[in-house]
Amino acid sequence: GDSVTQMEGPVTLSEEAFLTINCTYTATGYPSLFWYVQYPGEGLQLLLKATKADDKGSNKGFEATYRKETTSFHLEKGSVQVSDSAVYFCALTEAPWDYKLSFGAGTTVTVRA
Amino acid sequence: EAQVTQNPRYLITVTGKKLTVTCSQNMNHEYMSWYRQDPGLGLRQIYYSMNVEVTDKGDVPEGYKVSRKEKRNFPLILESPSPNQTSLYFCASSPNRLAGGYNEQFFGPGTRLTVL
Repeated sequence: GDSVTQMEGPVTLSEEAFLTINCTYTATGYPSLFWYVQYPGEGLQLLLKATKADDKGSNKGFEATYRKETTSFHLEKGSVQVSDSAVYFCALTEAPWDYKLSFGAGTTVTVRA
Repeated sequence: EAQVTQNPRYLITVTGKKLTVTCSQNMNHEYMSWYRQDPGLGLRQIYYSMNVEVTDKGDVPEGYKVSRKEKRNFPLILESPSPNQTSLYFCASSPNRLAGGYNEQFFGPGTRLTVL
């Protein structure tokens, strides 16, 4: 079945550093791709999404581009803040109209002042 | 405020003692789902419901039950909890998908369950 692999953490950065979290996927169909973020003590929130190849999702300074040729959806932010400390999950659904999310293992990011 | 609520937020129990974790959403969403989150495994779906009285198994349904008698509520029931069900549980909801579109899933704050 479909699956998601993301880089293991934890990742520790200084404020204003560049952040990249790698995510690759395996899918038989044409999946939709997502990044969810979990702040300490909270549930998951949708950060950004992309539903077709070459789409770029963006939100709160984060970006990720749907790369079908490399089956990847890497998350990037040019200048992180302490408030970006969280767990980041890459996820997919098998199709844009599908409900079921398949998640990666999550990457814990800590940003130090 | 639009939200998904779960109760309790924290629970410590003993093996075999039946428990229920409640989930309620005030957004009139049709789709609801339960996940468990374990270190190194991400979130895995336990059960989901497409609408009232319609439920189905996810990837890890063993040891769990659910019901959907009302649109807003989707309780998770552990009839005889075991230590391997110690985990962080999330409820989520989503409106019915418009043709060709994706509707965001909204997550509750989580319930941390410890089974001794």
